[in-house]
Amino acid sequence: DAGVTQTPRHEVAEKGQTIILKCEPVSGHNDLFWYRQTKIQGLELLSYFRSKSLMEDGGAFKDRFKAEMLNSSFSTLKIQPTEPKDSAVYLCASSLQGANTEVFFGKGTRLTVV
Amino acid sequence: QQKVQQSPESLIVPEGGMASLNCTSSDRNVDYFWWYRQHSGKSPKMLMSIFSNGEKEEGRFTVHLNKASLHTSLHIRDSQPSDSALYLCAARPSNTNKVVFGTGTRLQVLP
Repeated sequence: DAGVTQTPRHEVAEKGQTIILKCEPVSGHNDLFWYRQTKIQGLELLSYFRSKSLMEDGGAFKDRFKAEMLNSSFSTLKIQPTEPKDSAVYLCASSLQGANTEVFFGKGTRLTVV
Repeated sequence: QQKVQQSPESLIVPEGGMASLNCTSSDRNVDYFWWYRQHSGKSPKMLMSIFSNGEKEEGRFTVHLNKASLHTSLHIRDSQPSDSALYLCAARPSNTNKVVFGTGTRLQVLP
């Protein structure tokens, strides 16, 4: 059974570019999360979907970050326009529905904005 | 905004020693806690979960939970160099189901 798949693993973008990160959750999982991880801020929640419906849009990340879930097996995170401070590891995670269920992470996308 | 606070930020213990990590949530709706371990360059993986008051032991790892104070702790006995990693505490309230993580405790076990 495949885990959470993220592509690409690495992305280098110029300031002002638009980038799209992709995620395939574990088959059968209803909850999908996008996180950004940096050494200073740790794991910050960007978006949370339940059964393809957006439940949390990450507050401060709303203006340039847009996550979508087109179907139950595919999600994208668009950053437009990118800024150097967006350089981080972006992690996608999924879980079964239910508050007591474990979250499984993908291997992440390392984004560098120059 | 729900917050999960972890302490200490970093911890160094000798091989064979005991490591103790702490975590507290600010959200009174939190019912479920997890501890995740993230080795350098890897993604976080679940280490232990605890949902009820009390203690849970798995091998060298013990977690405690006090629901009244929303505090959980992780204790690693006989620490090994392979335990060196970032330990993340996660909390999930039953009213929103979103999972919030603390900033982590970076553990280094010296041979």
